Amino acid sequence: NAGVTQTPKFRILKIGQSMTLQCTQDMNHNYMYWYRQDPGMGLKLIYYSVGAGITDKGEVPNGYNVSRSTTEDFPLRLELAAPSQTSVYFCASSYPGTNQPQHFGDGTRLSIL
Amino acid sequence: RKEVEQDPGPFNVPEGATVAFNCTYSNSASQSFFWYRQDCRKEPKLLMSVYSSGNEDGRFTAQLNRASQYISLLIRDSKLSDSATYLCVVNIGANDMRFGAGTRLTVKP
Repeated sequence: NAGVTQTPKFRILKIGQSMTLQCTQDMNHNYMYWYRQDPGMGLKLIYYSVGAGITDKGEVPNGYNVSRSTTEDFPLRLELAAPSQTSVYFCASSYPGTNQPQHFGDGTRLSIL
Repeated sequence: RKEVEQDPGPFNVPEGATVAFNCTYSNSASQSFFWYRQDCRKEPKLLMSVYSSGNEDGRFTAQLNRASQYISLLIRDSKLSDSATYLCVVNIGANDMRFGAGTRLTVKP
């Protein structure tokens, strides 16, 4: 089992460029999440999905978009990259239920210059 | 007030020491609680869930006080490999997890 796989691991973008961060999981989890983690800060939820075709905003959704066409994949799109989006992005997945822990990918380090 | 607050540390302890971390949360409707461990430049990994009656996993003990909205993690007989940042995580409902900024622990020989 690969678990949660994120690509790319590192990326440098110029201001105004766009890109898609990929996330796929092979655990058949219904729920998937995108977080960002700024230095010295806790993770902040960007978007989440409770199943294919269903997405919802988290704490910090501005500047991002998501889609969920399959159970396995949950890509995160940055349309107009801004320096404030420089961060480490983590994708996670879980089974439904408030007691279910989340399993994380190993992150994408994104710098916007 | 932050939703989940932790003492950022760092905690520097010798091998074999006992160390305790505290966490407070603001949402009284919070439904479930976890401790995650995060190594430098790595992803968070589940350390343990926290149950109302308190629970233990080897050298790690977690406690929850709902009345005081307080969670703790106790590590006994610290090992060098315990050096990491420990994240307090609170589920406020509908799989909406709120993360503390973490407490950094360094265990020294």
